[in-house]
Amino acid sequence: DQQVKQNSPSLSVQEGRISILNCDYTNSMFDYFLWYKKYPAEGPTFLISISSIKDKNEDGRFTVFLNKSAKHLSLHIVPSQPGDSAVYFCAASVTTDSWGKLQFGAGTQVVVTP
Amino acid sequence: DAGITQSPRHKVTETGTPVTLRCHQTENHRYMYWYRQDPGHGLRLIHYSYGVKDTDKGEVSDGYSVSRSKTEDFLLTLESATSSQTSVYFCATRALTGHGYTFGSGTRLTVV
Repeated sequence: DQQVKQNSPSLSVQEGRISILNCDYTNSMFDYFLWYKKYPAEGPTFLISISSIKDKNEDGRFTVFLNKSAKHLSLHIVPSQPGDSAVYFCAASVTTDSWGKLQFGAGTQVVVTP
Repeated sequence: DAGITQSPRHKVTETGTPVTLRCHQTENHRYMYWYRQDPGHGLRLIHYSYGVKDTDKGEVSDGYSVSRSKTEDFLLTLESATSSQTSVYFCATRALTGHGYTFGSGTRLTVV
């Protein structure tokens, strides 16, 4: 049973507009969350993260929001650019897990149109 | 030069044959992981390792084994390949501190 869920397999957005990607989790032990971006034929690359002690983290055009009570996080990309077209994975971990294992969602394919 | 190199990048193999995928890192990271990526499932953990000869199973380990005889190398072996193991395989490493992974470029494996 997937503990990290991305229910939207795809998202199409116009260049310059906001992209909002959603992620839900079921394991209340998760306390650290990450977003990865993946281009075709490449490995995922780290984008942004957030600890459960925060509800927002911002890095340039990317902002991640965390709602612990709802077990929900979202990634906002403003403004969206053509180079943002990629698959985005949400991931979660338990920081007390010494192995540092990450649980990933199924991914959301973002297409930014001109 | 890449910190994590996976080889081969592409492979086609026949059902029932053993296959070994290699991950080589120059990051000197203790933690290494093997994931597979499949549509609708995202990335699922196969095996992971903390150091030389220190490995454990992930959520989809059946049919796979690993070995780590050197810090820099983490091998994934499909003991007898099946069509359900057709997938893209990613190796990742993590530093002792920090939470994020660094991924290799992946190996696309097709079992026919």
